Amino acid sequence: QPQLQESGPGLVKPSETLSLNCTVSGDYMTTSIHYWGWIRQSPGKGLEWIGSLHYSGSTTDYNPALKSRVTIAADTSKNQFSLKLKSVTAADSAVYYCASQLSGEFDHWGQGILVIVSS
Amino acid sequence: EIVMTQSPATLSVSPGERATLSCRASQSVGTNLAWYQQKPGQAPRLLIYSASTRAIGIPARVSGSGSGTEFTLTINSLQSEDFSIYYCQQYNSWPPAWTFGQGTKVEIK
Repeated sequence: QPQLQESGPGLVKPSETLSLNCTVSGDYMTTSIHYWGWIRQSPGKGLEWIGSLHYSGSTTDYNPALKSRVTIAADTSKNQFSLKLKSVTAADSAVYYCASQLSGEFDHWGQGILVIVSS
Repeated sequence: EIVMTQSPATLSVSPGERATLSCRASQSVGTNLAWYQQKPGQAPRLLIYSASTRAIGIPARVSGSGSGTEFTLTINSLQSEDFSIYYCQQYNSWPPAWTFGQGTKVEIK
């Protein structure tokens, strides 16, 4: 079973780009049974799906509410996938999780990383 | 966007009793529904997918039912580790716009 670990800065300035990586254990990133996704959780908005990437890297799906600001990409040579969220505001402060997906359900999660947007 | 509404917000149950949690979708999601458990400071853990299929390692006293717009998570013989927050999530919308409910907290009565 894959293990996932988020990494990146815990503090981002308003209007800048939030960049996070998720490292996946083993060879799971190239298996055909998984998508790879990002979800965030904040007190005000609960759990919010940000977007997902097919294991092949050929397809990405984004939350329509965030689509204009989000990019998810994979680097299979490093067993990583990344999240970039541009033009952040305080409303983007949250715990960010990476997770694997079978169809739509998220079956394995990272521990989460707290990101605060503040100057 | 499909809105997921969970009820009640808080459920007070005595250990050993049954907890019944509800999740309603604003439009039909078929059986494309998952349930998660989240404990303080931890990531959510998948309990149920496809509305009624238990994830690996989930005990038989945890069950899910429903289809369309009405779903139920039932936990029999509540144990100490069951007191936490539960979320439902739909994954029926296409293109994907997957959404979660706001959660139900199960607390000790």
